[in-house]
Amino acid sequence: DIVMTQTPVSSPVTLGQPASISCRSSQSPVHSDGNTYLSWLQQRPGQPPRLLIYKISNRLSGVPDRFSGSGAGTDFTLKISRVEAEDVGVYYCMLATQFPLFGQGTKLEIK
Amino acid sequence: QVQLQESGPGLVKPSQTLSLTCSVSGASISSGNYFWSWFRQPPGKGLEWIGYIYYSGTTFYNPSLTSRVTISVDTSKNQFSLKLSSVTAADTAVYYCVGDLGAWKPDVWGKGTTVTVSS
Repeated sequence: DIVMTQTPVSSPVTLGQPASISCRSSQSPVHSDGNTYLSWLQQRPGQPPRLLIYKISNRLSGVPDRFSGSGAGTDFTLKISRVEAEDVGVYYCMLATQFPLFGQGTKLEIK
Repeated sequence: QVQLQESGPGLVKPSQTLSLTCSVSGASISSGNYFWSWFRQPPGKGLEWIGYIYYSGTTFYNPSLTSRVTISVDTSKNQFSLKLSSVTAADTAVYYCVGDLGAWKPDVWGKGTTVTVSS
């Protein structure tokens, strides 16, 4: 089975500074249809998850442009250009090859 | 604006069947625009996908749960449902119903409902 490994586990960031979260797939992330369905979700405290990014780098409508996704091969990154207080929460990568699997989550907190 | 609301018992006894319903508003479940999914999150842990159903009745389940899971749809009530049999304490979690726009794009989430498995 594919394993998704996220780093760091916790990320203390100063307001206004950038943040970066990595996600690595243990096997090829490419779906049988040729696409790579790698998504990023944000879960604020006490809230359900929220989809931010899909298919590696596509930002969902309404998601601030300070969020960006990138990646190639088995390595993917979520970047926040300037962290705001409302960005506090846990971020998950999700990869769907046969079915969705999640990374263990990265807790973003303000330093 | 599509909204989802989970409902069902918050406490289920071990070995029994967990049953939850998701009511959909703002969209017709028969529209074909969404795959209707269930996810769960054990206390303090990460997310797990359970499965989905399409309005036509086509289902796809997580292989680790497929022997215990049934997802069904009631188009007349604009609802879809989850049944998980033979539950144990490991099934204690917040259960979310989710609208997936296809291509694994889970963009509409219910608020979640907590289910505890305990005698």
